[in-house]
Amino acid sequence: DIQMTQSPSSLSASVGDRVTITCRASQTITSYLNWYQQKPGKAPKLLIYAASSLHSGVPSRFSGSGSGTDFTLTISSLRPEDFAIYYCQQSYSSPPTFGQGTKVEIK
Amino acid sequence: HLQLQESGPGLVKPSETLSLTCTVSGGFISGSNSYWAWLRQSPGKGLEWIGSFYYSGSIYYNPSLKSRVTIAVDMSETQFSLKLTSVTAADTAIYYCAKHVDTGAHWFDPWGQGTLVTVSS
Repeated sequence: DIQMTQSPSSLSASVGDRVTITCRASQTITSYLNWYQQKPGKAPKLLIYAASSLHSGVPSRFSGSGSGTDFTLTISSLRPEDFAIYYCQQSYSSPPTFGQGTKVEIK
Repeated sequence: HLQLQESGPGLVKPSETLSLTCTVSGGFISGSNSYWAWLRQSPGKGLEWIGSFYYSGSIYYNPSLKSRVTIAVDMSETQFSLKLTSVTAADTAIYYCAKHVDTGAHWFDPWGQGTLVTVSS
């Protein structure tokens, strides 16, 4: 199985900050990388698919980049509703696997 | 718009079979480019894909669970099910159903709200 490693595991940030979360795959996954946001008590929601494509309805302050083994999710200006846990997921090979999550907390 | 809802017992005894149903509204399981999936989330293992099926009959399981898992579609075309046999405490998790979109690249969207299943005597 392809192992997905996110860093950091958690971070504290203020409203208006630029936030960057990194996801590294244990082998190349080309651009088959998705990002999800999960709020307490809710299911994950798709933010970004195929590394850099913004899912319908997702605010443009979210962006994704990367290819191969290293990927980044960026929130350009953090809003109160963005405090959540973010997960990356590879769809290059089966079984699809997820990172352990990055918790974005209020500073 | 498409919505999914999981249902089933919240408590299952060790060694018994976990059975859940996912009801799809706002769409049909037989739609094009539509796989349908079960996933679960636990504090110990995080998010884990259980398996996916395509309406035409293709089914794919996570090798780590394959010997214990069955995913099936109901003839109503609006429900599909999950059965996990010989459960242990390690199977305690929130179970989600989701649409598994496949356009070459693939992802899970949307997800049901999830249902907590606890394995305990």
